[in-house]
Amino acid sequence: GAGVSQSPRYKVTKRGQDVTLRCDPISSHATLYWYQQALGQGPEFLTYFNYEAQPDKSGLPSDRFSAERPEGSISTLTIQRTEQRDSAMYRCASSLIRSSYNEQFFGPGTRLTVL
Amino acid sequence: LAKTTQPISMDSYEGQEVNITCSHNNIATNDYITWYQQFPSQGPRFIIQGYKTKVTNEVASLFIPADRKSSTLSLPRVSLSDTAVYYCLVGALDSGSARQLTFGSGTQLTVLP
Repeated sequence: GAGVSQSPRYKVTKRGQDVTLRCDPISSHATLYWYQQALGQGPEFLTYFNYEAQPDKSGLPSDRFSAERPEGSISTLTIQRTEQRDSAMYRCASSLIRSSYNEQFFGPGTRLTVL
Repeated sequence: LAKTTQPISMDSYEGQEVNITCSHNNIATNDYITWYQQFPSQGPRFIIQGYKTKVTNEVASLFIPADRKSSTLSLPRVSLSDTAVYYCLVGALDSGSARQLTFGSGTQLTVLP
Protein backbone atom coordinates (compact mmCIF):
# COMPACT_ATOMS: atom_id res chain seq x y z
CA GLY A 1 0.00 0.00 0.00
CA ALA A 2 0.90 3.64 -0.19
CA GLY A 3 1.38 3.97 3.54
CA VAL A 4 1.05 2.09 6.80
CA SER A 5 -2.55 1.48 7.77
CA GLN A 6 -3.98 0.36 11.07
CA SER A 7 -7.40 -0.83 12.10
CA PRO A 8 -9.50 -0.12 13.90
CA ARG A 9 -8.66 3.53 14.45
CA TYR A 10 -10.56 3.51 17.73
CA LYS A 11 -11.43 0.62 19.99
CA VAL A 12 -13.41 0.78 23.21
CA THR A 13 -13.62 -2.38 25.24
CA LYS A 14 -14.50 -3.52 28.70
CA ARG A 15 -11.94 -4.69 31.19
CA GLY A 16 -11.27 -8.39 30.82
CA GLN A 17 -12.06 -8.58 27.12
CA ASP A 18 -9.53 -9.55 24.46
CA VAL A 19 -8.71 -7.13 21.64
CA THR A 20 -6.81 -7.57 18.39
CA LEU A 21 -5.26 -4.68 16.54
CA ARG A 22 -4.17 -4.89 12.95
CA CYS A 23 -1.32 -3.31 11.04
CA ASP A 24 -0.85 -3.34 7.28
CA PRO A 25 2.69 -2.14 6.49
CA ILE A 26 4.07 -0.65 3.30
CA SER A 27 4.19 -3.59 0.91
CA SER A 28 7.93 -3.57 0.21
CA HIS A 29 8.92 -3.26 3.87
CA ALA A 30 10.54 -6.20 5.60
CA THR A 31 10.53 -4.85 9.13
CA LEU A 32 7.49 -4.02 11.22
CA TYR A 33 7.42 -2.44 14.68
CA TRP A 34 4.80 -2.08 17.38
CA TYR A 35 4.82 0.78 19.88
CA GLN A 36 2.60 1.84 22.76
CA GLN A 37 2.17 5.57 23.26
CA ALA A 38 0.54 7.01 26.34
CA LEU A 39 -0.90 10.49 26.22
CA GLY A 40 1.86 13.08 26.41
CA GLN A 41 4.61 10.48 26.20
CA GLY A 42 6.88 9.19 23.48
CA PRO A 43 6.29 5.86 21.80
CA GLU A 44 7.50 2.87 23.79
CA PHE A 45 8.87 -0.04 21.82
CA LEU A 46 6.93 -3.27 22.22
CA THR A 47 8.27 -5.68 19.62
CA TYR A 48 9.35 -5.96 16.02
CA PHE A 49 9.30 -8.40 13.12
CA ASN A 50 11.75 -9.05 10.37
CA TYR A 51 9.47 -10.64 7.81
CA GLU A 52 7.68 -13.29 9.90
CA ALA A 53 10.44 -13.67 12.47
CA GLN A 54 10.07 -11.89 15.79
CA PRO A 55 13.62 -11.39 17.08
CA ASP A 56 12.73 -9.18 20.03
CA LYS A 57 9.59 -9.18 22.12
CA SER A 58 11.17 -8.06 25.34
CA GLY A 59 9.25 -4.78 25.25
CA LEU A 60 5.88 -6.46 25.60
CA PRO A 61 4.66 -5.40 29.06
CA SER A 62 3.19 -8.74 30.08
CA ASP A 63 2.30 -12.16 28.75
CA ARG A 64 -1.17 -10.81 28.00
CA PHE A 65 0.38 -9.09 24.98
CA SER A 66 1.30 -11.05 21.87
CA ALA A 67 1.97 -10.21 18.25
CA GLU A 68 2.03 -12.17 15.03
CA ARG A 69 3.07 -11.67 11.45
CA PRO A 70 2.55 -15.13 10.00
CA GLU A 71 3.13 -14.36 6.31
CA GLY A 72 5.58 -11.54 6.73
CA SER A 73 3.15 -8.79 5.78
CA ILE A 74 0.10 -7.94 7.92
CA SER A 75 0.62 -8.08 11.66
CA THR A 76 -1.73 -8.30 14.60
CA LEU A 77 -1.23 -7.28 18.20
CA THR A 78 -3.48 -9.07 20.67
CA ILE A 79 -4.09 -8.03 24.23
CA GLN A 80 -5.82 -10.63 26.35
CA ARG A 81 -7.85 -9.86 29.47
CA THR A 82 -7.47 -6.13 28.94
CA GLU A 83 -6.89 -3.85 31.91
CA GLN A 84 -7.49 -0.13 32.24
CA ARG A 85 -3.74 0.52 32.22
CA ASP A 86 -3.65 -0.88 28.67
CA SER A 87 -5.50 2.22 27.46
CA ALA A 88 -3.15 3.98 25.05
CA MET A 89 -2.41 4.68 21.41
CA TYR A 90 -0.89 1.66 19.72
CA ARG A 91 1.30 2.55 16.78
CA CYS A 92 2.70 0.38 14.06
CA ALA A 93 5.63 1.35 11.86
CA SER A 94 7.50 -0.32 9.05
CA SER A 95 10.88 0.09 7.42
CA LEU A 96 12.50 -1.23 4.30
CA ILE A 97 14.98 -3.54 5.98
CA ARG A 98 16.02 -4.45 9.49
CA SER A 99 18.60 -1.87 10.36
CA SER A 100 18.99 0.87 12.87
CA TYR A 101 19.98 3.09 9.96
CA ASN A 102 16.55 3.09 8.48
CA GLU A 103 13.57 5.38 8.35
CA GLN A 104 10.45 4.10 10.05
CA PHE A 105 7.09 4.98 8.54
CA PHE A 106 4.36 5.17 11.14
CA GLY A 107 0.69 4.40 10.78
CA PRO A 108 -2.12 6.54 12.21
CA GLY A 109 -2.42 4.37 15.30
CA THR A 110 -5.25 2.62 17.12
CA ARG A 111 -6.63 4.42 20.16
CA LEU A 112 -7.56 1.76 22.71
CA THR A 113 -9.78 2.64 25.63
CA VAL A 114 -10.42 0.04 28.29
CA LEU A 115 -13.39 0.83 30.51
CA LEU B 1 18.99 0.30 27.34
CA ALA B 2 19.91 3.70 26.00
CA LYS B 3 17.81 6.19 27.98
CA THR B 4 17.34 9.59 26.43
CA THR B 5 16.64 12.97 28.00
CA GLN B 6 15.29 16.05 26.24
CA PRO B 7 13.91 19.40 27.37
CA ILE B 8 10.18 19.22 27.87
CA SER B 9 9.41 22.34 25.89
CA MET B 10 10.95 25.18 23.89
CA ASP B 11 9.56 28.36 22.42
CA SER B 12 10.90 30.17 19.39
CA TYR B 13 9.89 32.85 16.92
CA GLU B 14 9.37 32.49 13.22
CA GLY B 15 12.57 32.75 11.22
CA GLN B 16 14.87 31.80 14.08
CA GLU B 17 17.17 28.79 14.27
CA VAL B 18 16.16 26.22 16.89
CA ASN B 19 18.51 23.74 18.52
CA ILE B 20 17.12 20.83 20.53
CA THR B 21 19.55 18.68 22.46
CA CYS B 22 19.08 15.07 23.49
CA SER B 23 21.25 13.33 26.08
CA HIS B 24 21.97 9.63 25.73
CA ASN B 25 24.81 8.87 28.11
CA ASN B 26 24.80 5.08 27.74
CA ILE B 27 24.52 4.90 23.99
CA ALA B 28 25.94 1.66 22.63
CA THR B 29 28.50 1.27 19.87
CA ASN B 30 25.99 0.09 17.28
CA ASP B 31 23.25 2.60 18.14
CA TYR B 32 22.15 5.23 15.67
CA ILE B 33 20.47 8.50 16.61
CA THR B 34 17.26 9.40 14.85
CA TRP B 35 14.96 12.37 15.24
CA TYR B 36 11.24 12.31 14.59
CA GLN B 37 8.58 15.00 14.43
CA GLN B 38 5.04 14.39 15.63
CA PHE B 39 1.96 16.51 15.12
CA PRO B 40 -1.17 15.97 17.23
CA SER B 41 -3.21 12.95 16.15
CA GLN B 42 -0.50 11.76 13.76
CA GLY B 43 2.28 9.21 13.91
CA PRO B 44 5.91 10.33 14.21
CA ARG B 45 7.62 11.38 11.00
CA PHE B 46 11.33 10.87 10.27
CA ILE B 47 13.46 14.01 10.18
CA ILE B 48 17.10 12.98 10.19
CA GLN B 49 19.47 10.25 11.34
CA GLY B 50 23.15 9.98 12.10
CA TYR B 51 25.88 7.99 13.78
CA LYS B 52 28.60 10.58 14.43
CA THR B 53 29.78 14.08 13.45
CA LYS B 54 27.34 16.10 11.39
CA VAL B 55 24.52 15.18 9.06
CA THR B 56 22.50 17.65 7.03
CA ASN B 57 19.45 17.24 4.83
CA GLU B 58 16.95 19.62 3.30
CA VAL B 59 15.08 20.23 6.54
CA ALA B 60 17.53 19.90 9.42
CA SER B 61 21.05 19.29 10.65
CA LEU B 62 22.16 16.82 13.28
CA PHE B 63 25.28 17.40 15.33
CA ILE B 64 26.83 14.52 17.24
CA PRO B 65 29.99 15.04 19.32
CA ALA B 66 32.80 12.53 19.34
CA ASP B 67 31.68 10.84 22.55
CA ARG B 68 28.13 10.44 21.11
CA LYS B 69 26.61 11.00 24.54
CA SER B 70 24.37 13.72 23.18
CA SER B 71 23.02 15.01 19.91
CA THR B 72 21.57 18.30 18.75
CA LEU B 73 18.86 18.74 16.17
CA SER B 74 19.09 22.08 14.42
CA LEU B 75 16.10 23.50 12.56
CA PRO B 76 16.98 26.57 10.47
CA ARG B 77 14.49 29.41 10.13
CA VAL B 78 11.50 27.77 11.76
CA SER B 79 7.94 28.58 10.74
CA LEU B 80 4.61 28.24 12.52
CA SER B 81 4.13 24.83 10.89
CA ASP B 82 7.19 23.50 12.73
CA THR B 83 5.22 23.59 15.98
CA ALA B 84 5.24 19.93 17.01
CA VAL B 85 6.78 17.44 19.40
CA TYR B 86 10.30 16.36 18.49
CA TYR B 87 11.59 12.98 19.62
CA CYS B 88 15.11 11.64 19.81
CA LEU B 89 15.36 7.88 19.16
CA VAL B 90 18.43 5.85 20.03
CA GLY B 91 18.92 2.18 19.41
CA ALA B 92 19.72 -0.65 17.10
CA LEU B 93 18.15 -3.85 15.87
CA ASP B 94 21.09 -6.19 15.87
CA SER B 95 20.69 -9.92 15.74
CA GLY B 96 21.32 -11.46 19.09
CA SER B 97 20.62 -8.23 20.92
CA ALA B 98 17.59 -7.48 23.02
CA ARG B 99 18.35 -3.80 22.96
CA GLN B 100 15.23 -1.86 22.21
CA LEU B 101 14.59 1.29 20.29
CA THR B 102 14.10 4.03 22.85
CA PHE B 103 12.29 7.26 22.18
CA GLY B 104 12.85 10.21 24.49
CA SER B 105 9.97 11.93 26.22
CA GLY B 106 9.90 14.49 23.47
CA THR B 107 10.31 18.25 23.25
CA GLN B 108 7.27 20.37 22.53
CA LEU B 109 8.45 23.13 20.21
CA THR B 110 6.14 26.10 19.91
CA VAL B 111 6.89 28.61 17.18
CA LEU B 112 5.42 32.02 17.81
CA PRO B 113 4.63 34.66 15.16
